[in-house]
Parts: sequence; C-alpha cells; structure tokens
Amino acid sequence: GNSVTQMEGPVTLSEEAFLTINCTYTATGYPSLFWYVQYPGEGLQLLLKATKADDKGSNKGFEATYRKETTSFHLEKGSVQVSDSAVYFCALSDHNDYKLSFGAGTTVTVRA
Amino acid sequence: DAGVTQSPTHLIKTRGQQVTLRCSPKSGHDTVSWYQQALGQGPQFIFQYYEEEERQRGNFPDRFSGHQFPNYSSELNVNALLLGDSALYLCASSSLAGKQETQYFGPGTRLLVL
Repeated sequence: GNSVTQMEGPVTLSEEAFLTINCTYTATGYPSLFWYVQYPGEGLQLLLKATKADDKGSNKGFEATYRKETTSFHLEKGSVQVSDSAVYFCALSDHNDYKLSFGAGTTVTVRA
Repeated sequence: DAGVTQSPTHLIKTRGQQVTLRCSPKSGHDTVSWYQQALGQGPQFIFQYYEEEERQRGNFPDRFSGHQFPNYSSELNVNALLLGDSALYLCASSSLAGKQETQYFGPGTRLLVL
C-alpha cells in the first residue's frame, strides 16, 4: 500500500535559518505529492503540490521537487520566519482514488 | 468563494453516546473525504463520498458511518463512542468529476469523549 515517511521532529531554528524537512514515499504507480501545514488549533492548509516526476511545487518561499528516482519530496525554505512555526505534513494521493496518505508530521519552531 | 466549512467546532460527549459532524464542501467540489487526526499524529483516512455513495473506506469500524446529500454536503456519524475516538475530525473536498484531486480541508471538529 501507499505510505509516507517524514523526518521526525521537533525542529527548532532561528529566524532566517535554512529549513529542510525530509519526506520519502512508497506507492504503486505515480502518485501526486503534497505538503500541508497546520497552525496551532487549526485545520490543514495546502502549502504546495507536485503531480508528476521532476515537478517543483512552490509557495510562500517553500519549495519541494518530486524525485521519482529517490521517491522523495523534501520541503525546503531558504530563510524561515517566526510565522512559519507550525506542523508540516507530507502526503500522497493516488491518481485513481484521491485518498490522501499522510506522514506523521514534523513540528517546526522558529525563534526570533 | 467559500471554503470548506465544518460544524460544530468543538464537541464534548460521554462514552456510549452518538455524534454527528457536518461538512460543506468548497464551491464546485463534489467529493467529500473524512479524516481522523489523533493528538500528535497525522490524519487517518476514514471514508470518501461521491455521488451520495461511500466510494472507499479506510480501516475504521462500522461504528463510523456517513452520508452525502444531493448538495454535496456530508455528515459523519460515530456510534457507541469510545474514549479513543477523541480526536480532530477533518473534512476535505475535491472534485472527481472535474478531475481535481487536490483536497482542501476545513477547520475541523474537535471531539472530546469523556
């Protein structure tokens, strides 16, 4: 079946530091890949997505590239802000069933 | 453009009771999926509704049931509540007919079972 493994947290960074959260997946076929963000007490917000190999998703300074050869979709941001403090979830969706499989989430705290 | 809405926002129940959660999808979406997110974990897929039928189901017992209405809104029902059902319940919408697989989430309903 489909599964997602992401870097365990928590991750604590200083403002303007570089952020990387690793995500690898197992899937039959070629899924779509997503990063969602969850701020304290809220639901999930779509951060970015990529639907095929070598696609790069980007939003709000975050980027992730769909790497089929390494089955990875690592999230990066060059200079984090305090407002980026949240829980980040990597997820995949099979093109046939639209069901999302999530990683366990990575808690990121950015200190001023 | 209204996003996904859910009600209520919070709910407290006791063991053995039944609960109904509601979800209205994003405008233009026809598919509703429900997820359970326990504290400190990633969301787990419960089931998905399309054309008023349960299209697929995750590994949840029959105590969890749902419904989709002609206007695409949906309900999640949980019977015989257990303490372990305490979680954030998330609804997400997408469009199978429109081949829009990206799922957009509502704010969730936080259920506490005492």
